[in-house]
Amino acid sequence: EPEVTQTPSHQVTQMGQEVILRCVPISNHLYFYWYRQILGQKVEFLVSFYNNEISEKSEIFDDQFSVERPDGSNFTLKIRSTKLEDSAMYFCASSALPQGSYEQYFGPGTRLTVT
Amino acid sequence: AQTVTQSQPEMSVQEAETVTLSCTYDTSENNYYLFWYKQPPSRQMILVIRQEAYKQQNATENRFSVNFQKAAKSFSLKISDSQLGDTAMYFCAFRRGSQGNLIFGKGTKLSVKP
Repeated sequence: EPEVTQTPSHQVTQMGQEVILRCVPISNHLYFYWYRQILGQKVEFLVSFYNNEISEKSEIFDDQFSVERPDGSNFTLKIRSTKLEDSAMYFCASSALPQGSYEQYFGPGTRLTVT
Repeated sequence: AQTVTQSQPEMSVQEAETVTLSCTYDTSENNYYLFWYKQPPSRQMILVIRQEAYKQQNATENRFSVNFQKAAKSFSLKISDSQLGDTAMYFCAFRRGSQGNLIFGKGTKLSVKP
């Protein structure tokens, strides 16, 4: 069964450094999402992406964050200058269609630790 | 703003028994969708079951069923004949009809004991 993959599984970085989290969505999906989960808190939506542009974003997704689909397979989340509070589990998801009851398929997550 | 509340941080159940996980939500929307996702330890979230708000009939998927009470804004998950492989975090999620992003509850950690 096709699945969403994410790399790396764990990333440790120093405050102020840039990080890029990578995701490979399911190949025939067109809609892509990033969510994050701070330890002990709920999973929160960051951004959705379709047709090479952001379709929705939350207030968490500020100027420090950016997303890109650099080629036909990867979908990346970049954090320009990491803060301690960016430490979280970051989940990528993809779906064939964006709305209704269509399922979002999630990756296993990248644990980001900012020291 | 929409919110999703899961009031049970942890639950446990004996193998082969039935357990119900609670979820309530708050919205002024009439068109929306509800989901239960399962996240086994160190694995990705997978969809367990979904419910369209416009459908009165409760969704079922094999051993999993929901009790959807639209007026009460309640969406509980019942797992029958619990199996050891059901041990996981369970997240309730809401999606507005016009948007793609999911709004999650904090999750319930379910342990199935042999």
